[in-house]
Amino acid sequence: GIQVEQSPPDLILQEGANSTLRCNFSDSVNNLQWFHQNPWGQLINLFYIPSGTKQNGRLSATTVATERYSLLYISSSQTTDSGVYFCAVNGGATNKLIFGTGTLLAVQP
Amino acid sequence: KAGVTQTPRYLIKTRGQQVTLSCSPISGHRSVSWYQQTPGQGLQFLFEYFSETQRNKGNFPGRFSGRQFSNSRSEMNVSTLELGDSALYLCASSFSGDEQFFGPGTRLTVL
Repeated sequence: GIQVEQSPPDLILQEGANSTLRCNFSDSVNNLQWFHQNPWGQLINLFYIPSGTKQNGRLSATTVATERYSLLYISSSQTTDSGVYFCAVNGGATNKLIFGTGTLLAVQP
Repeated sequence: KAGVTQTPRYLIKTRGQQVTLSCSPISGHRSVSWYQQTPGQGLQFLFEYFSETQRNKGNFPGRFSGRQFSNSRSEMNVSTLELGDSALYLCASSFSGDEQFFGPGTRLTVL
């Protein structure tokens, strides 16, 4: 099955700094999503981005499907950006999402 | 539009008992998927239901089962609970297989 790797596993930033999170996947995919897991456990949708580039405020994402990776950019980070960021893909005819192991981001004031 | 809702939010059970979790998808969404999240195994797919039919199943024992009703609401059941079933159970809905939206989860503790 498809393997999903995220890097870095942990990241500590000062408020105001920028960061880039990476997601590599081992095969072609139909769907790629980025999520932020809040402290209560809910997965918050950030981007649905099987290919191309999207922006939403201070966040943007780029997926290069032919090279099997996606990047999530966080600019001018805030303490509320802290938490775990997950990349998830599906590549078959099913709706099954395969998740990476996440990047734990801590933004310090 | 209301989001995905899950009940109950927290649950404590003892080994050997069974539990039923409920998920109501976003209005108009017909696909409901269930995932288990544990510190050791991460987020793993349990099963997906679409129009009351199980469309895909993950690698979990038969103690884990589910169903979907005609209004797209879904339930999952875990029988003969084990300590290792303690986890956050997340439900996701989508229209047909595109972007998935997750509920707040049910945190199950098995004692």
